[in-house]
Amino acid sequence: AQTVTQSQPEMSVQEAETVTLSCTYDTSESDYYLFWYKQPPSRQMILVIRQEAYKQQNATENRFSVNFQKAAKSFSLKISDSQLGDAAMYFCAYRSANQGAQKLVFGQGTRLTINP
Amino acid sequence: ETGVTQSPTHLIKTRGQQVTLRCSSQSGHNTVSWYQQALGQGPQFIFQYYREEENGRGNFPPRFSGLQFPNYSSELNVNALELDDSALYLCASRLPGLAGVNEQFFGPGTRLTVL
Repeated sequence: AQTVTQSQPEMSVQEAETVTLSCTYDTSESDYYLFWYKQPPSRQMILVIRQEAYKQQNATENRFSVNFQKAAKSFSLKISDSQLGDAAMYFCAYRSANQGAQKLVFGQGTRLTINP
Repeated sequence: ETGVTQSPTHLIKTRGQQVTLRCSSQSGHNTVSWYQQALGQGPQFIFQYYREEENGRGNFPPRFSGLQFPNYSSELNVNALELDDSALYLCASRLPGLAGVNEQFFGPGTRLTVL
């Protein structure tokens, strides 16, 4: 079974600074997808960024980028120019690329605080 | 806004009771998944429905059951409620098609408290 581990329960950063959230995962599969989701106090899970395992190039979405290290099974999220609206719980998630397997396996989450 | 709604927002039940939670997905989203998120934890997969049939299940007992309807709405039913069932319940829907990186759209969740 696949597992996802986020070893940082809480992180804080000064506004406009850069912060990196860590995520490691365990799987025996070679083809899969990785995601970072943001869950603000409103509770609605919002997709931040996604990475296909077969792509070597790291995904980037505006201020958000990932460092995907497939051999090390590591998938960290870098947030540049942090903004107050980035404050939320962040979850790393894994999904198999198998046709029928659409479930997401989530980590425990990292609470990110932005200090003004 | 993801276009996925859930009702009710909050719910309080007592141990042993039964509960039904509802989810309304976007038109065309014929796959819906349900997750249980205990306080301070990541969501755990309960089950998935595709074209009104369950086609994947996590490590949850049979007292967790579901229904999916042709109008892209779905239900999660939990019988014989236990204290540990207290959690945020999330539904997520997605478009049909290839098992690619199709985004799952999450609803805002229903907070269930079992006393």
